This record gives sequence, C-alpha cells and structure tokens, in this order.
Amino acid sequence: DAGVIQSPRHEVTEMGQEVTLRCKPISGHDYLFWYRQTMMRGLELLIYFNNNVPIDDSGMPEDRFSAKMPNASFSTLKIQPSEPRDSAVYFCASSLAGPNTEAFFGQGTRLTVV
Amino acid sequence: AQKVTQAQTEISVVEKEDVTLDCVYETRDTTYYLFWYKQPPSGELVFLIRRNSFDEQNEISGRYSWNFQKSTSSFNFTITASQVVDSAVYFCALSENSGGGADGLTFGKGTHLIIQP
Repeated sequence: DAGVIQSPRHEVTEMGQEVTLRCKPISGHDYLFWYRQTMMRGLELLIYFNNNVPIDDSGMPEDRFSAKMPNASFSTLKIQPSEPRDSAVYFCASSLAGPNTEAFFGQGTRLTVV
Repeated sequence: AQKVTQAQTEISVVEKEDVTLDCVYETRDTTYYLFWYKQPPSGELVFLIRRNSFDEQNEISGRYSWNFQKSTSSFNFTITASQVVDSAVYFCALSENSGGGADGLTFGKGTHLIIQP
C-alpha cells in the first residue's frame, strides 16, 4: 500500500480564496483524522471520521472550515474564505481501529495564505 | 481535559550518547493510551509506540526504550547510543475515552532532538 496520500503537498493562496486539501487513506482503515500543525499551537486534531461519518469535529476552528468524506477512500478539508492565520501544515491520518490505535500519517500539505 | 507536557523544547547531544525525552500527561480517565511519534526533517509523523494505561511494563525495542510510570504520570523515552539518524522532533501523545467515545490524540509540543556527529 502507498500509505496515506495527501494533495497538494504545497499550496499558496491569497487571502479570501477557497482552499481544498485532499486525502486518500490507507485502504481498509475505517478512521480518518485531520490535524493541523503550527509553531504556536503544535499539532491539533481538527476532525475525525469513522466509516465516513464525522465523529468529533470539536477541533474545527470556525465555520470557515469544513470537512467531508464522501466515500471510504477520499476526504477533503475545505477552508472558505482562507485567512493568513490558516497558514499551517495540515496532516491527514488513518487508522484501523480508532484514535486509541496506531495512526498512519500522510506527508502533509503546507498551506500558505498571503 | 487531557494535557501532555514535553518540557524539553530542544536537546542536543553528541552521537553515541544516551538521551531521555520526558513526557508528563494529565487525564481524569482511568483508561487511556499513550503514544510516541517521530517527525523527521521530511515532515511525516512516524508511529513509535503505544501503551495503554493498564500496562506499566517498560518496553525496549533495539536502542529505544520507554518508561511508563503512572505514579508520576510520565511516559519517558530513552534512546541509547544515539545516532545522527535519530535527529528529529519527537512527540508524546495521549488518547482517552470520554463520553462513551474515544477522543483523538492530544499531542505535546514536541522535543527537537539534535544528534551531532
């Protein structure tokens, strides 16, 4: 298996634009997580899904952020409109059996909002 | 609320030295899980170990060892005979069950380990 695949690896966008980050989890993993990493706040869980259903979205910072998982092999994290403070590395991870088990992380998407 | 503290922001040692990375956690749950992840310069996070709250046995894997002590709420990580390839940021993380479901990982701020040749 190729592991968790995220795209794009780097994204530079202007403030106010819509940004969509994509993730393909490992096949057979029922859980998918979105994390954000910044220097100030470290690694934070934004949302996670179980069998395509959002379970905990309490980490989503505000209504400008939304996440979907239309099927078992694809998830998106959308920011609309984007702001400079959204600049961060966004990681997607998947696991077989939930947050209490080993998570496999993608290489991340480095987002810069100018 | 769960919390993970990694007080050492950065550690620099010379190759072949032993080094211990500290992790202290807070939780009100009796059932919880502790993790260590490694983030090399390439950026992705790599799983190293998982421990549940009922298993206080220390673990050794090659040059890596982990010391879990519930009495001090600590889960420290030691690298023996460090190597340059061990240079990375290391994260301790906690997951607990609350409200009938499992919470996602709460990460510490990480310790940047620099191994000098």
